Amino acid sequence: DVVLTQSPLSLPVTLGQPASISCRSSQSLVHSDGNTYLLWFQQRPGQSPRRLIYKISNRDSGVPDRFSGSGSGTDFTLKISRVEAEDVGVYYCMQYTHWPHTFGQGTKLEI
Amino acid sequence: EVQLVESGGGLVQPGGSLRLSCAASGFTFSTYWMNWVRQTPGKGLEWVANINPDGSVKSYVDSMKGRFTISRDNAKNSLYLQMYSLSAEDTALYYCVGSSTVWGQGTLVTVSS
Repeated sequence: DVVLTQSPLSLPVTLGQPASISCRSSQSLVHSDGNTYLLWFQQRPGQSPRRLIYKISNRDSGVPDRFSGSGSGTDFTLKISRVEAEDVGVYYCMQYTHWPHTFGQGTKLEI
Repeated sequence: EVQLVESGGGLVQPGGSLRLSCAASGFTFSTYWMNWVRQTPGKGLEWVANINPDGSVKSYVDSMKGRFTISRDNAKNSLYLQMYSLSAEDTALYYCVGSSTVWGQGTLVTVSS
């Protein structure tokens, strides 16, 4: 199975400051169709996960533009340009290039 | 409103069975790949199974193959997960997920004597 390793696992941040989460894959996430199926999810306390980013860098509808995704191959990053209070929660990367689809361990962002 | 509502979770003894259901509304269910994903404090988020829009293709994580069966009824906008031979390791919050964008609130399965 593809192992996604996130770092850091805990991310204390200051309101208004940037934050960055790394996700490294045990193998390339480039699919045979040329796409890279790497997603980012946010899970706020007490809520279900919510998709933020798909195919590395595409923001979902309604996601603030302070969130951005980047990377390629096996190394990916989620960045928040200026952290707001509502961003508190756990962030997960996920891949569906390979079966079984797998998630990273999660990064807990706290103010 | 786009919505997935799971039901059927509960307390079951080791070795027992349980059937989870998921009712979809607010989107064209019959066009979506549907999935079951579970979450535990220890293992985090874990994919369980998925099924293609017409129900002809099903995939399972190895540890659940042969014990879990995913199915759907597009006429009823419903997704199901039949679980057999449950063990304590199957204790989790089970989410119904449409594509990767629509998530239910989850239904809790507890396997314990």
